[in-house]
Amino acid sequence: AQKVTQAQTEISVVEKEDVTLDCVYETRDTTYYLFWYKQPPSGELVFLIRRNSFDEQNEISGRYSWNFQKSTSSFNFTITASQVVDSAVYFCALRVWETSGSRLTFGEGTQLTVNP
Amino acid sequence: DGGITQSPKYLFRKEGQNVTLSCEQNLNHDAMYWYRQDPGQGLRLIYYSQIVNDFQKGDIAEGYSVSREKKESFPLTVTSAQKNPTAFYLCASTSFGQGLRRNTIYFGEGSWLTVV
Repeated sequence: AQKVTQAQTEISVVEKEDVTLDCVYETRDTTYYLFWYKQPPSGELVFLIRRNSFDEQNEISGRYSWNFQKSTSSFNFTITASQVVDSAVYFCALRVWETSGSRLTFGEGTQLTVNP
Repeated sequence: DGGITQSPKYLFRKEGQNVTLSCEQNLNHDAMYWYRQDPGQGLRLIYYSQIVNDFQKGDIAEGYSVSREKKESFPLTVTSAQKNPTAFYLCASTSFGQGLRRNTIYFGEGSWLTVV
């Protein structure tokens, strides 16, 4: 079975601080995808990044960066110089393939609050 | 514009009634999903479908039913057998193959269901 753990339920920072959101996953599959989604108060899930299991290259997109380490089954997300608009719930997710098709398993989410 | 449309945004149900949530996508995606989110919680998979006329139960399918008669549409019926249906419901879809847009799961804006 697949599992995604986001140990940090809530994080509160002051604007301009850097913050890292942790994600640890479990799967026996060798082929899988990892995702991060942002959920603002309006509710919709906004796709941020996808990483496949064969690509351990870290990625940077503006103030966002992701650190994927297969050795520790982690896919951590860092926001540099946080802003109030970054306040949201962030979800890490794992996609694997089963005989019945593919499914996406989510972590419980991390509520990030950035205070001015 | 291409995307996933869920309706209605807000729905109130009386106890004992069945209600149907609509999900339509014009992205030509093969797979579609329904997730349930309770306040302060992660997303749990209700049903998913990889192709037309085929669907699979997720982790919390009891009290729900779906159909997939067209590629674009995946309606979810919340039946009276679902004892605690008040939640936020999210529909998602994805395609398969190569490229970033494929294999990424995109979400609709969600539907809030309240039992009164």
